[in-house]
Amino acid sequence: KQEVTQIPAALSVPEGENLVLNCSFTDSAIYNLQWFRQDPGKGLTSLLLIQSSQREQTSGRLNASLDKSSGRSTLYIAASQPGDSATYLCAAFSSNTGKLIFGQGTTLQVKP
Amino acid sequence: DAGVTQSPTHLIKTRGQHVTLRCSPISGHKSVSWYQQVLGQGPQFIFQYYEKEERGRGNFPDRFSARQFPNYSSELNVNALLLGDSALYLCASSRTSGRLGDTQYFGPGTRLTVL
Repeated sequence: KQEVTQIPAALSVPEGENLVLNCSFTDSAIYNLQWFRQDPGKGLTSLLLIQSSQREQTSGRLNASLDKSSGRSTLYIAASQPGDSATYLCAAFSSNTGKLIFGQGTTLQVKP
Repeated sequence: DAGVTQSPTHLIKTRGQHVTLRCSPISGHKSVSWYQQVLGQGPQFIFQYYEKEERGRGNFPDRFSARQFPNYSSELNVNALLLGDSALYLCASSRTSGRLGDTQYFGPGTRLTVL
């Protein structure tokens, strides 16, 4: 059974800092891994999707990596801004079950 | 193009009542999935429909049911509401069957409160 864990649950950093959010999954038979952003009380916005055959994806100040062998993915945010404050969720897509399994999320606060 | 839309945005019900939530996918998307997100947790998969057929079901009781219409919109129904059903219900659409793992686009959600 796939389980996805995100550590830490919450993170507070000063503006301008580079930071890394961690995601681990127990079943390496994933089809892809997605990172989402969720603002309070809102839906999810897809940030990056990494296929199982890929090692990383980049979009602007965001870079996500995937290491299937170790069951880990990281989301790197460069030069953080107060507007980056949100909850970040990772989700593993299992080709066996055909569904996304989400972690609990990391709530990020970037202080001006 | 409009994104995924959900209605209503907020809903308050009492225990034992029935609720119907609605979702319209992005134009051209044929797959709709439903998720339940309890406060402070990640979303939990409830159902996935593709081409009007159920393609996946999560670990939810039979009080939860769903269907997809010919225009690919979808309804999620919950009977005999419990306090624990209070959550944000998210709908996601994707272009193809969920088995291909293409990007899922989420709607803003319906906030259900059961009193």
